Amino acid sequence: GQNIDQPTEMTATEGAIVQINCTYQTSGFNGLFWYQQHAGEAPTFLSYNVLDGLEEKGRFSSFLSRSKGYSYLLLKELQMKDSASYLCAVTDSNYQLIWGAGTKLIIKP
Amino acid sequence: GAVVSQHPSRVICKSGTSVKIECRSLDFQATTMFWYRQFPKKSLMLMATSNEGSKATYEQGVEKDKFLINHASLTLSTLTVTSAHPEDSSFYICSAGVAGGVYEQYFGPGTRLTVT
Repeated sequence: GQNIDQPTEMTATEGAIVQINCTYQTSGFNGLFWYQQHAGEAPTFLSYNVLDGLEEKGRFSSFLSRSKGYSYLLLKELQMKDSASYLCAVTDSNYQLIWGAGTKLIIKP
Repeated sequence: GAVVSQHPSRVICKSGTSVKIECRSLDFQATTMFWYRQFPKKSLMLMATSNEGSKATYEQGVEKDKFLINHASLTLSTLTVTSAHPEDSSFYICSAGVAGGVYEQYFGPGTRLTVT
């Protein structure tokens, strides 16, 4: 079966750095997405990785290792508004998006 | 950027009635639209994939007669929850894919449905 694992919840301090991991087992791979979702709202796009390596975009970076079926989202200089759920999603060989359950990130002052 | 709207944002209806949710791509033509359902603290669950001018493709376990999807134009798809029951209460989210692109879906803001 297809499976995406990410931690259920993480807590970090304002101004710090946090890394949210995602491992996947899917039938084929055509890219990995990270989305941010605030409570009661739809997801918003953060990043897309299809090749191995690190993609940096401001305070957020996303890393991919296809051989390990592994990705992480790195958030730097955490702000209170970063408190949200972070969803990892993989596009499989049929170009279907397979979603993780999301990681709830709690930022404390 | 690509904008997708949904209407209504919130709806409360009585058990047994039907509710229609609209999903519109405002500044681009969406050949494919996706309908998701999300339960509290759960991941997004794809319900169906809708291509303009053709019948929607439903995921396993989703009742197509209960969740009617119409994609009549390149900018509009509708989801009708027929004979709604309290267990249909959920957050329904649509997304739109750009023609030829599989790399990103643009999400609507979602519709909170509560069936009493």
